[in-house]
Amino acid sequence: AQSVTQPDIHITVSEGASLELRCNYSYGATPYLFWYVQSPGQGLQLLLKYFSGDTLVQGIKGFEAEFKRSQSSFNLRKPSVHWSDAAEYFCAVGPSGYSTLTFGKGTMLLVSP
Amino acid sequence: DTAVSQTPKYLVTQMGNDKSIKCEQNLGHDTMYWYKQDSKKFLKIMFSYNNKELIINETVPNRFSPKSPDKAHLNLHINSLELGDSAVYFCASSPEWDRAHGYTFGSGTRLTVV
Repeated sequence: AQSVTQPDIHITVSEGASLELRCNYSYGATPYLFWYVQSPGQGLQLLLKYFSGDTLVQGIKGFEAEFKRSQSSFNLRKPSVHWSDAAEYFCAVGPSGYSTLTFGKGTMLLVSP
Repeated sequence: DTAVSQTPKYLVTQMGNDKSIKCEQNLGHDTMYWYKQDSKKFLKIMFSYNNKELIINETVPNRFSPKSPDKAHLNLHINSLELGDSAVYFCASSPEWDRAHGYTFGSGTRLTVV
């Protein structure tokens, strides 16, 4: 069965500093991988996705993620964090066959001044 | 021009009541979903419909009944509401022909049972 692990529940980053959010997945084949962001009181917005090709993918709002098959990871990065990036970030894997997207438990990003 | 819209955004109701949440998408997607997000922000799939047909029905109490009158709408009806049903419910949609597309989510319905 597919699964996603986000090992960090909370991360605090100073504004202007770089960011990396970790995501590890379990999947039987080449995965479809996604990062979503949820601002307080809002729905989930797709940041970026990977399904084939270049393992470094660019997304919206200056985010990027790197797929590493050997490590079963799909970490999200941003070179310089802005206060407006404070939100909950979800990594997801799938879908496969009739299964749906499976989400990690999320990482809350806090941005300090 | 909202892509996936849910109503209502907030719903406060008493235990034992019956309530419905509506969802509509104007993206032309074939597949729609209901997810439940608990107080710890964990997102769990409840149902999946493809072209009005139920595809996935996770272990959800039968007090929850989805209904899809057409492929643009997926409503969620909940009978005999319990305190544990309090959560945020998200509707989402995706195109069957493009698994890499990801899901488009609505803004959620915060259900509070008192």
